Amino acid sequence: SQQGEEDPQALSIQEGENATMNCSYKTSINNLQWYRQNSGRGLVHLILIRSNEREKHSGRLRVTLDTSKKSSSLLITASRAADTASYFCATGNQGGKLIFGQGTELSVKP
Amino acid sequence: NAGVTQTPKFQVLKTGQSMTLQCAQDMNHNSMYWYRQDPGMGLRLIYYSASEGTTDKGEVPNGYNVSRLNKREFSLRLESAAPSQTSVYFCASSEDSPYSNQPQHFGDGTRLSIL
Repeated sequence: SQQGEEDPQALSIQEGENATMNCSYKTSINNLQWYRQNSGRGLVHLILIRSNEREKHSGRLRVTLDTSKKSSSLLITASRAADTASYFCATGNQGGKLIFGQGTELSVKP
Repeated sequence: NAGVTQTPKFQVLKTGQSMTLQCAQDMNHNSMYWYRQDPGMGLRLIYYSASEGTTDKGEVPNGYNVSRLNKREFSLRLESAAPSQTSVYFCASSEDSPYSNQPQHFGDGTRLSIL
């Protein structure tokens, strides 16, 4: 019962470039969250955007939400090798629990 | 501040063996969760607990049992392990109800192989 689907599945960029990942979902949401997972580690919460918000920033992260298109994007600016990880979106639904997507694998080459 | 701690980190079992995966959180969170992560499948919820003494099935509960021993601890038991249960298991917690859609805090996982 996957709700969020990330695109692309894998992304490889050079250090200093921007990385953009997208998440699409199917039903109405309360909020959408992005998580990072480094290799061999658990997921770490990055940012939460509510359904009535359109954009949110945290450091080098910028998240947008378009509820009319049921999609969100995560932009990482000026990427670093340390940003290499898998990134997951998770949707919070009214009366439901968080549902995680399958993730985007980001590789940032020095 | 350890957050969510899972033990063991790695385990190899033979088909039919049983084992319990342990999870403890020190953030005084009400809700706790067990997920499994498989390649191409993302995270799938096995069981969750909204408070001490309560547990509920998630998306893939078959073959598993759980115990919410107290507010801190939430264990996952495989009674008779099967190769299909080879996976990485994550425990997570959140401050309030699972239905409040709050951020979850994850442990670093248990990598379980069943031969």
